[in-house]
Amino acid sequence: DGGITQSPKYLFRKEGQNVTLSCEQNLNHDAMYWYRQDPGQGLRLIYYSQIVNDFQKGDIAEGYSVSREKKESFPLTVTSAQKNPTAFYLCASRNPRGPFTGELFFGEGSRLTVL
Amino acid sequence: LAKTTQPISMDSYEGQEVNITCSHNNIATNDYITWYQQFPSQGPRFIIQGYKTKVTNEVASLFIPADRKSSTLSLPRVSLSDTAVYYCLVGDARAAGNKLTFGGGTRVLVKP
Repeated sequence: DGGITQSPKYLFRKEGQNVTLSCEQNLNHDAMYWYRQDPGQGLRLIYYSQIVNDFQKGDIAEGYSVSREKKESFPLTVTSAQKNPTAFYLCASRNPRGPFTGELFFGEGSRLTVL
Repeated sequence: LAKTTQPISMDSYEGQEVNITCSHNNIATNDYITWYQQFPSQGPRFIIQGYKTKVTNEVASLFIPADRKSSTLSLPRVSLSDTAVYYCLVGDARAAGNKLTFGGGTRVLVKP
């Protein structure tokens, strides 16, 4: 089945450690996004990519890094520079040529807890 | 980018109609209006999208006035399972790599 797979679903990290969250899609979508969600809050955009080897900062990119070496993959690294990384992270992809212009498809999310 | 404003929360009862209004005063000509639903610990899912006038599908209706500065999501005859957070997203969704930014969302609680 087509979709977006995020892993791991739950992750614990010690302060000062970098951690990489995986996002893979088999929808053949060009654009991919990373959002952060804190408890009771909305989604905030971290990074987005419209094509392989290209990505742009979102509203809260500090302390995060991404890569887009393959169309299917858009991993997010939470670095030790991120002051408060405990959050729910959501990856999404978008097909601008779909029946609904620009519908976002989301993964199930990764919940990161810093101990 | 068009900023959106929604009520923080709304309560309703089973069987009632729920209407959520989103304000987007600086919407651009090419912007579409899209609504998403999110359950706890899940990613949002698409509900409906429109550009102007009225759009209806099997789960909701979207009303957009002529000036497009606001939009109203209508959920007919809600059930307990409609308890969720609803987000209004405004942007030029057709543009590749569009910076799609969500607002705070509206938390809808459906009571028995």
